[in-house]
Amino acid sequence: DTEVTQTPKHLVMGMTNKKSLKCEQHMGHRAMYWYKQKAKKPPELMFVYSYEKLSINESVPSRFSPECPNSSLLNLHLHALQPEDSALYLCASSQDWQGNSPLHFGNGTRLTVT
Amino acid sequence: GQSLEQPSEVTAVEGAIVQINCTYQTSGFYGLSWYQQHDGGAPTFLSYNGLDGLEETGRFSSFLSRSDSYGYLLLQELQMKDSASYFCAVPSFSGGYQKVTFGTGTKLQVIP
Repeated sequence: DTEVTQTPKHLVMGMTNKKSLKCEQHMGHRAMYWYKQKAKKPPELMFVYSYEKLSINESVPSRFSPECPNSSLLNLHLHALQPEDSALYLCASSQDWQGNSPLHFGNGTRLTVT
Repeated sequence: GQSLEQPSEVTAVEGAIVQINCTYQTSGFYGLSWYQQHDGGAPTFLSYNGLDGLEETGRFSSFLSRSDSYGYLLLQELQMKDSASYFCAVPSFSGGYQKVTFGTGTKLQVIP
């Protein structure tokens, strides 16, 4: 079990659907992240939130829209996705943004776009 | 940008020792971390080297040489449960905020 909880675990959506991924942590961490991971590849950073403010956007297409309602919650809103967006979406948090502050990952949402 | 290279696959025998290497090219360097990820699971943090030398945590050790832009993860007394993917990772900073970039990953298979 991890201390970062992601829902749903699996999601299948059509290209015209709108869905949301949810992430929750109760460790008091001040930074939260969205990563995308394709099969047999490393996680790739999408977004960084610090103190509930979007701090880094790695040039992610606008069909992915992050939201941080409060310090414990992080959402990723999905709209008009493409089949190539199918991947494992990982949420992570860290205590702060020092170089030695480890990332704590959730188990991810496995997304399939049909 | 950041570039971290690792061998794609390593196979080792249960009870043996295995070393997983990581070479990096980064703009600015703040340290090297290692993460483990089992199939279908979340990456979990193993270790961090901010300075040159060896850091030991139980059966796992991690080494860093800044002058060689090189590090490795050493796993001793291998167990079947150590079969997983291992990623080196480096933090960098954009506008004062941390972003972590992962290496290409090494899939370790432990055989009886």
